[in-house]
Amino acid sequence: DSGVTQTPKHLITATGQRVTLRCSPRSGDLSVYWYQQSLDQGLQFLIQYYNGEERAKGNILERFSAQQFPDLHSELNLSSLELGDSALYFCASSGQMTGAGETQYFGPGTRLLVL
Amino acid sequence: AQSVTQLDSQVPVFEEAPVELRCNYSSSVSVYLFWYVQYPNQGLQLLLKYLSGSTLVKGINGFEAEFNKSQTSFHLRKPSVHISDTAEYFCAVSDYTGRRALTFGSGTRLQVQP
Repeated sequence: DSGVTQTPKHLITATGQRVTLRCSPRSGDLSVYWYQQSLDQGLQFLIQYYNGEERAKGNILERFSAQQFPDLHSELNLSSLELGDSALYFCASSGQMTGAGETQYFGPGTRLLVL
Repeated sequence: AQSVTQLDSQVPVFEEAPVELRCNYSSSVSVYLFWYVQYPNQGLQLLLKYLSGSTLVKGINGFEAEFNKSQTSFHLRKPSVHISDTAEYFCAVSDYTGRRALTFGSGTRLQVQP
């Protein structure tokens, strides 16, 4: 158990819909990262937050957005869903921004299926 | 920009045999190197990482990896595998500055057969 929790575990929805994925980082961790794992794209970094502020963006679509709340949990919002958005979405957390090379701890993921 | 190449998509091996999973990276800046393992229906777990110092890094579950700067490689090895090592293995890099996000390779599926 990494200490990172993600809800829900599974999500089935239809094209055009909007969903919210939730992540609670390990106790004390300030950084949250979101990754997408799909068969065709592999594991891709989407976005990073540190202590409530966006710090880095990767291959995140404009239809996707995220935020980190004062209690440090994070939500990833996916809207106008398309079939190709079906994937496993991981959240990871780490401690301090100054710790370059620090370990990222991954949650169990949310499996999204868009029908 | 960085990239990671895992040369083998699948590696079948018999139990108690040695195994090497290959990883090469490309980057214009110095990087940190990681190996993560993903068991079926689970998240990723860190096996080991190279930050600096000795180029031979030991990790959990008997795995080790060697950083070779001249060949830009970070191959993962285990002298004797178990059935329980069957999983997907990902090599990843992050750079020294700015973005700490990981850039992953495409993964290598290790299949340990009895």
